[in-house]
Amino acid sequence: NAGVTQTPKFRILKIGQSMTLQCTQDMNHNYMYWYRQDPGMGLKLIYYSVGAGITDKGEVPNGYNVSRSTTEDFPLRLELAAPSQTSVYFCASSSSGGAGGVGRETQYFGPGTRLLVL
Amino acid sequence: KNQVEQSPQSLIILEGKNCTLQCNYTVSPFSNLRWYKQDTGRGPVSLTIMTFSENTKSNGRYTATLDADTKQSSLHITASQLSDSASYICVVSAKGGSYIPTFGRGTSLIVHP
Repeated sequence: NAGVTQTPKFRILKIGQSMTLQCTQDMNHNYMYWYRQDPGMGLKLIYYSVGAGITDKGEVPNGYNVSRSTTEDFPLRLELAAPSQTSVYFCASSSSGGAGGVGRETQYFGPGTRLLVL
Repeated sequence: KNQVEQSPQSLIILEGKNCTLQCNYTVSPFSNLRWYKQDTGRGPVSLTIMTFSENTKSNGRYTATLDADTKQSSLHITASQLSDSASYICVVSAKGGSYIPTFGRGTSLIVHP
């Protein structure tokens, strides 16, 4: 199993450009998440999904959009890139069941996408 | 406001020594607390998950403790190895409503030979 894969690994954007960060998992996990990690700061949740067709906002959703058309894929869209979106973006996934509930299961993170907006 | 504070910010120890990292939180109502290890340039890797009723959990040389009354957790690393050099992140989630975890800034651990 590849686990959680993210592409690209690194990207430089100009202000106002748009791009999609790709995330794929091959563990058949229902739950998927997008986080951003700014230097010296804790990770912050952008969006999450509890299954195909279902998404919900996290702590910092402004400037981002997501979709979940399949169990495996959870792309993150930046429509109008701003310097404040310079960060490292991590995708994660977790299974459902067990103790139940979002955030109560082991989350598996991808390697991250480093984004620089100039 | 939900907050997670970790200490120390950074720590340097010699290989083979033990160390303890601290996490204090104000997240309420409490659901669970997780510890992650993040190597430089990599995504976080889960070490332990504890709910309200659990006060200790081990994962190999890593042992996490939780005191829900004082809202404190610690991560104890035994017989440190060079590969333990990483950032250790404490994450606390609240019950109910939307899922919005609160991440600490992490403790940077360097293990010297």
